[in-house]
Amino acid sequence: QVQLVQSGAEVKKPGASVKVSCKSSGYTFTGQYIHWVRQAPGQGLEWMGWINPKSGGTNYAQKFQGRVNMTGDTSISTAYMELSSLKSDDTAVYYCARDFGYYGLDVWGQGTTVTVSS
Amino acid sequence: QSMLTQPPSVSGAPGQRVTISCTGTSSNIGAGFDVLWYQQLPGTAPKLLIYGNTQRPSGVPDRFSGSKSGTSASLAIAGLQAEDEADYYCQTYGSSVTGSRVFGTGTKVTVL
Repeated sequence: QVQLVQSGAEVKKPGASVKVSCKSSGYTFTGQYIHWVRQAPGQGLEWMGWINPKSGGTNYAQKFQGRVNMTGDTSISTAYMELSSLKSDDTAVYYCARDFGYYGLDVWGQGTTVTVSS
Repeated sequence: QSMLTQPPSVSGAPGQRVTISCTGTSSNIGAGFDVLWYQQLPGTAPKLLIYGNTQRPSGVPDRFSGSKSGTSASLAIAGLQAEDEADYYCQTYGSSVTGSRVFGTGTKVTVL
């Protein structure tokens, strides 16, 4: 079945970077965009951006431009989201999700908790 | 990008019908973009509930229905059940050029 499996929890210090992976299976990785969405503790969903795994093209929410980098490795069907210059309010669960066009973000990863603390 | 506004919470007794509103602007919902809805059970990833304003993915009970009018959309849950207690988010598009997404503020549904 279609699955997205994310890397494990991370603890980082302020100013550091974190790179979260999202491995796909059960479908053609280059066929659909991957989106990244985060959720701070007790808060709602916040869209961060997308990557087109086939072309490597990206689009980021204005809030994260200059600080986020989304990449993909087609050889292992894995997408990555790297966030730099971490601050305490970047503490959140980060999700990847498959974009199935008209049918929406239909498959989600299990989430990766990133904690930023000195 | 403007967020979509939802009521923080709604509640209902088992068997009742509840409705969640999602208010956007002329730049997103009012511009004709589709609205989607996601259900998030405690401690889990969001799950797609409604796409294309009114369509249910396979496996989603027909107790869940979506609608859209003007700059707003709604999710209705009929015959409320205990397992429907969750957070619900609407989502639309911020731009047809960039494919950006916009999420609602989220609504907590409590089954009394």
